[in-house]
Amino acid sequence: QKEVEQDPGPLSVPEGAIVSLNCTYSNSAFQYFMWYRQYSRKGPELLMYTYSSGNKEDGRFTAQVDKSSKYISLFIRDSQPSDSATYLCAMSPVGGQGGSEKLVFGKGTKLTVNP
Amino acid sequence: DAGVTQSPTHLIKTRGQQVTLRCSPKSGHDTVSWYQQALGQGPQFIFQYYEEEERQRGNFPDRFSGHQFPNYSSELNVNALLLGDSALYLCASGADHENTEAFFGQGTRLTVV
Repeated sequence: QKEVEQDPGPLSVPEGAIVSLNCTYSNSAFQYFMWYRQYSRKGPELLMYTYSSGNKEDGRFTAQVDKSSKYISLFIRDSQPSDSATYLCAMSPVGGQGGSEKLVFGKGTKLTVNP
Repeated sequence: DAGVTQSPTHLIKTRGQQVTLRCSPKSGHDTVSWYQQALGQGPQFIFQYYEEEERQRGNFPDRFSGHQFPNYSSELNVNALLLGDSALYLCASGADHENTEAFFGQGTRLTVV
């Protein structure tokens, strides 16, 4: 069993839709959870960073972590064509190390938002 | 601030050859991590350098080696290239013991033929 599972999609939605992206994990040591966005031929860029269970909101993006179920989600409200990208979940057992922690990534979900 | 810069952007090598990829971290960052991202997969951690030493290593063979220089820049070396080494190689930099995130470069796309 992989440490982090993520449905690769692809996922295609109309502009304005609410998008739900999910990952499950098996390692209970994971404490820090991240969502990265990766445009084609680019490096990943950090969207959301959360610690332990709970919700975090940033503009149109909401990240949820349920450690009891080992399940994390990213919601995108009012999706835009510019949101079309691959979304990667990433996790780490430690954090707050200035970005020097080892990250374990999911496979990524390819999202297309159609105008 | 140029962020994390990687060179070259693209590279084609033949099986059995050796390759060196380079990374300059974001200004103020002192740790460099390398990841391999195969097509359709998420990045996989190769290793991390801090204070010119390899601090952590992922599940990669000894053919993968690295180096960090006094100016914090880093190199990734891969010997005896295999077709399966074809991937996007990402460098991420961070500032040890500071409350900041890892920043990724745009990657080097390596094709082994």
